Amino acid sequence: DTAVSQTPKYLVTQMGNDKSIKCEQNLGHDTMYWYKQDSKKFLKIMFSYNNKELIINETVPNRFSPKSPDKAHLNLHINSLELGDSAVYFCASSHPGQGAHEQYFGPGTRLTVT
Amino acid sequence: GDSVTQMEGPVTLSEEAFLTINCTYTATGYPSLFWYVQYPGEGLQLLLKATKADDKGSNKGFEATYRKETTSFHLEKGSVQVSDSAVYFCALSDRNNNDMRFGAGTRLTVKP
Repeated sequence: DTAVSQTPKYLVTQMGNDKSIKCEQNLGHDTMYWYKQDSKKFLKIMFSYNNKELIINETVPNRFSPKSPDKAHLNLHINSLELGDSAVYFCASSHPGQGAHEQYFGPGTRLTVT
Repeated sequence: GDSVTQMEGPVTLSEEAFLTINCTYTATGYPSLFWYVQYPGEGLQLLLKATKADDKGSNKGFEATYRKETTSFHLEKGSVQVSDSAVYFCALSDRNNNDMRFGAGTRLTVKP
């Protein structure tokens, strides 16, 4: 009964490749997010989707493209991977109607670009 | 814009010591405040929250009080355990949008 799940958990790939990370939530939430966590544990929001529509699009390279086929899924596609893309990527979801906007996080995907 | 500043780590304590991790915020509205915990190799988990001034959030022996006058939400625990070793994040969320701002995280290590 995992609330927010991500696949894969680990992803090792070479520079220049294209890869995707999948995220699914079974909480019935309207809003989903992607965060990037660097080696110093700093969390940076990348995207936010509400009901399949893009709400937040922070300054990230356009090599990163989120795709939301439905409310329960928000996938992250990355083109032409670079060494600096190595990080842990977290998916999260929230339901603004519940007042406090708390977010529920997935377990993370550790991306290593060689 | 809204932001959160928390004390830099790392913090190393002995078991049963008292813990304080400072967090202050800047916000134009009336945010909700949160503490998240990240155990090694895992995602962030909500530890506690407070939605208005003078609210106290508590969970697993941790407490934090929403202080509007000092714009603070310091995390405290009276007696830490080795299992509390993790990275702790202070965060705020504006009620009017979906944006959550996180602090830089504070790594806590508790030694037996």
